[in-house]
Amino acid sequence: QQQVKQSPQSLIVQKGGISIINCAYENTAFDYFPWYQQFPGKGPALLIAIRPDVSEKKEGRFTISFNKSAKQFSLHIMDSQPGDSATYFCAAPGSGSARQLTFGSGTQLTVLP
Amino acid sequence: NAGVTQTPKFQVLKTGQSMTLQCAQDMNHEYMSWYRQDPGMGLRLIHYSVGAGITDQGEVPNGYNVSRSTTEDFPLRLLSAAPSQTSVYFCASSYYLGTQETQYFGPGTRLLVL
Repeated sequence: QQQVKQSPQSLIVQKGGISIINCAYENTAFDYFPWYQQFPGKGPALLIAIRPDVSEKKEGRFTISFNKSAKQFSLHIMDSQPGDSATYFCAAPGSGSARQLTFGSGTQLTVLP
Repeated sequence: NAGVTQTPKFQVLKTGQSMTLQCAQDMNHEYMSWYRQDPGMGLRLIHYSVGAGITDQGEVPNGYNVSRSTTEDFPLRLLSAAPSQTSVYFCASSYYLGTQETQYFGPGTRLLVL
């Protein structure tokens, strides 16, 4: 069964700083790695995703970096804003024929004004 | 287009009671899933469905039943609630482009079992 390890558990960053969240996975038959953002009292929402035919994907201030050989991927939030304060989850597909996503344990990000 | 809707938003049960958490989507997605979210444990898959009439177990299926009679609806049943089932439950619907899954989550149901 897929295991996804996410770190850190919590992160405090000053406004304008860079937030970095890391994830490591074990094995997957499919290459698709999404990040979800969740605000308090809301369901998770897809933020950005990468297919590792590229090592990096950027959408605005959000960037995913992927290291296939190390089985690791990370989310970078540039110029972090107080509105980015939320919980972030990485996810990876299951191994074998299962396509269902396995989620990391989440990172609670607080951006101080 | 309401997306994924869940009812109720909040529920208190006594141990041993049964209830059904409702989930509906209006995006005509074939894939639907139920997750539970507990502090420090992320989202864990309970059951999922790849289409009407087809369901399968996820990571933590014990104590839960599902059925999928229509594309739109995917209810989750707790047959005999236990305090360990206190959690926030999210329903999701998704579509695939090849191996790329895009999931849409509902707003969640917060369940407290006393």
